[in-house]
Amino acid sequence: GENVEQHPSTLSVQEGDSAVIKCTYSDSASNYFPWYKQELGKGPQLIIDIRSNVGEKKDQRIAVTLNKTAKHFSLHITETQPEDSAVYFCAASPFGTASKLTFGTGTRLQVTL
Amino acid sequence: SQTIHQWPATLVQPVGSPLSLECTVEGTSNPNLYWYRQAAGRGLQLLFYSVGIGQISSEVPQNLSASRPQDRQFILSSKKLLLSDSGFYLCAWSVRSEQYFGPGTRLTVT
Repeated sequence: GENVEQHPSTLSVQEGDSAVIKCTYSDSASNYFPWYKQELGKGPQLIIDIRSNVGEKKDQRIAVTLNKTAKHFSLHITETQPEDSAVYFCAASPFGTASKLTFGTGTRLQVTL
Repeated sequence: SQTIHQWPATLVQPVGSPLSLECTVEGTSNPNLYWYRQAAGRGLQLLFYSVGIGQISSEVPQNLSASRPQDRQFILSSKKLLLSDSGFYLCAWSVRSEQYFGPGTRLTVT
């Protein structure tokens, strides 16, 4: 089955700096890669996703890049703000199946003033 | 728009007691439905998923069970809770691949 590794487990940045979270996956059949943000005590929120026919996708201050050859994808947050502080999860899935996502172990991002 | 509901929001139950958590989805038809468990400070563990009424797949053997009596209703149950069942239980739905999570139920088994 699929295995998703996520790094780092914790990340502290100053407000205004950029943050990068990286994930690798093992199953070459995976072709859908979402990112979730989870605030304390809440359910994860889908913030951006990318499919394997696209190398990069951007939405305001967040972007995701995908390297299918290396089986690697990353989340980039620019101009970080305190409200970006949360746990971020990456995931992978083969599109068109029952959409079973395999999640990474999460990254706790702390944006300090 | 689609909405997912979970209740209760928090629950404290003694060891050996039964459990029933409910999840309902509004605004979509024939969704895939999922139950996840998240231990404190940990990742998401898929427990069950369903592609239709009465169709349940179990990912992890345990003392929990799931049922889908209606298209947009998903129930997580246990006959006898264990201390290790404590955690944050999340229901999710998907159409195609995008998955959306509910607000979760915090279960503490004492």
